[in-house]
Amino acid sequence: DGGITQSPKYLFRKEGQNVTLSCEQNLNHDAMYWYRQDPGQGLRLIYYSQIVNDFQKGDIAEGYSVSREKKESFPLTVTSAQKNPTAFYLCASTRELKNSAGELFFGEGSRLTVL
Amino acid sequence: AQSVTQPDIHITVSEGASLELRCNYSYGATPYLFWYVQSPGQGLQLLLKYFSGDTLVQGIKGFEAEFKRSQSSFNLRKPSVHWSDAAEYFCAVDNLVQNFVFGPGTRLSVLP
Repeated sequence: DGGITQSPKYLFRKEGQNVTLSCEQNLNHDAMYWYRQDPGQGLRLIYYSQIVNDFQKGDIAEGYSVSREKKESFPLTVTSAQKNPTAFYLCASTRELKNSAGELFFGEGSRLTVL
Repeated sequence: AQSVTQPDIHITVSEGASLELRCNYSYGATPYLFWYVQSPGQGLQLLLKYFSGDTLVQGIKGFEAEFKRSQSSFNLRKPSVHWSDAAEYFCAVDNLVQNFVFGPGTRLSVLP
């Protein structure tokens, strides 16, 4: 079955450490997204990518980095510069590029806790 | 910038009762509209979407939503709620210029 796989589902980090969250999709989608979810705040866009080797900052990119070396993969690194990284992170993809309407498909999420 | 409001943070209904979750957006033109559902610790699942045409759209799990241009609303409804509908519901809009914008969510609790 096609879908989006995020790993790990739970991750604990000490302050000052970088961590990388994995996102892999086999939907053959061009566009991929990373969202952060905090209680009562909905989803906030961190980064997105519409093609391989290209990505753009979203609304809350500070303290995060991404890469898009393959169409299927869009890993997110939470760096030590992120002041409050404890959150639920969601990866999503869509077959449509920015000038076309399409729904987002989501992974199951990764919960990061900073100790 | 466009925004999405969901006025109700938390709603509690009895099983079998009807449900309406409100969603309003601010944008000059008609955006594309979505409702997603999220169970605790899970990703988001699409319930339904509106792109054009009939303003009453049907979705999965017995949900429907009505787009009202004059009110900039896209309210979600279900005639009879089941205990398994307890979850968080997000309204989202896409105007093809900015990226998707999500509302803050409405948490639904269902009483037996």
